[in-house]
Amino acid sequence: GEDVEQSLFLSVREGDSSVINCTYTDSSSTYLYWYKQEPGAGLQLLTYIFSNMDMKQDQRLTVLLNKKDKHLSLRIADTQTGDSAIYFCAESSLYNQGGKLIFGQGTELSVKP
Amino acid sequence: EAQVTQNPRYLITVTGKKLTVTCSQNMNHEYMSWYRQDPGLGLRQIYYSMNVEVTDKGDVPEGYKVSRKEKRNFPLILESPSPNQTSLYFCASSTYRDGETQYFGPGTRLLVL
Repeated sequence: GEDVEQSLFLSVREGDSSVINCTYTDSSSTYLYWYKQEPGAGLQLLTYIFSNMDMKQDQRLTVLLNKKDKHLSLRIADTQTGDSAIYFCAESSLYNQGGKLIFGQGTELSVKP
Repeated sequence: EAQVTQNPRYLITVTGKKLTVTCSQNMNHEYMSWYRQDPGLGLRQIYYSMNVEVTDKGDVPEGYKVSRKEKRNFPLILESPSPNQTSLYFCASSTYRDGETQYFGPGTRLLVL
C-alpha cells in the first residue's frame, strides 16, 4: 500500500536553515502537504504542492518536489525557537478513497537558541 | 469563522463503556474523516464519509463506528473501548474537489483505562 517516510528527529540552531525530508511511494499522488503540530495542539496546514510542480515558496518556507525520486522536502529559512514542533508530510490522491491523506510518522524539530 | 469542532477535547474512560466523540463543521463540506494519531505512527485514517449516509472504512476501522445523518456532523462511536484505543483523535473535513485542503479539528485526547 501507500507509504510515507520521514526521519523522526532534527535539531538545528536558531538562525540556521532547517530541511525536513520525506519520501513517498504512491506514484498517483496528486497533492503533497506539510502540516505543523505544536505541543498539545492540533494540525496546522503549512503549505501544499501540486504534483506537477517542482517548487513552491511561501515566505520562509520552500517546498521542493522530486517526483522522479518521490522525494519531498521542506526548508525553513532563519529557523526560530517558535518553529519547534512536529512536522508531518502527507500525500493524497484523487484515486484513493476520495482524497484520504497518508501521513508520515512526523519529524520533531528542535531549535536551540 | 470556518472551523471544525470536536467534543470532548479530553476524555478518560474505562474499558467497555460506550462513548461518542462528536465532530461538526460549518463549511458545508461533503467529505469528512476521522484519524487517530499515535507516537511514531503519524496519523491513520479510521473512517471517512463522502456525503450524507455514505461512509466507508479507512485503514484502522476495527472497534469504531461512524454515522453521517447530517452533512455537518460526523460522530465517532466506540461501542466497547479498549486500552489500545487510547490515542489522539482528529476529525477533518473538506470539499475535496481536485485536492482541496482538509481542515482539521483541534483533537480529542482519549485515555481508556
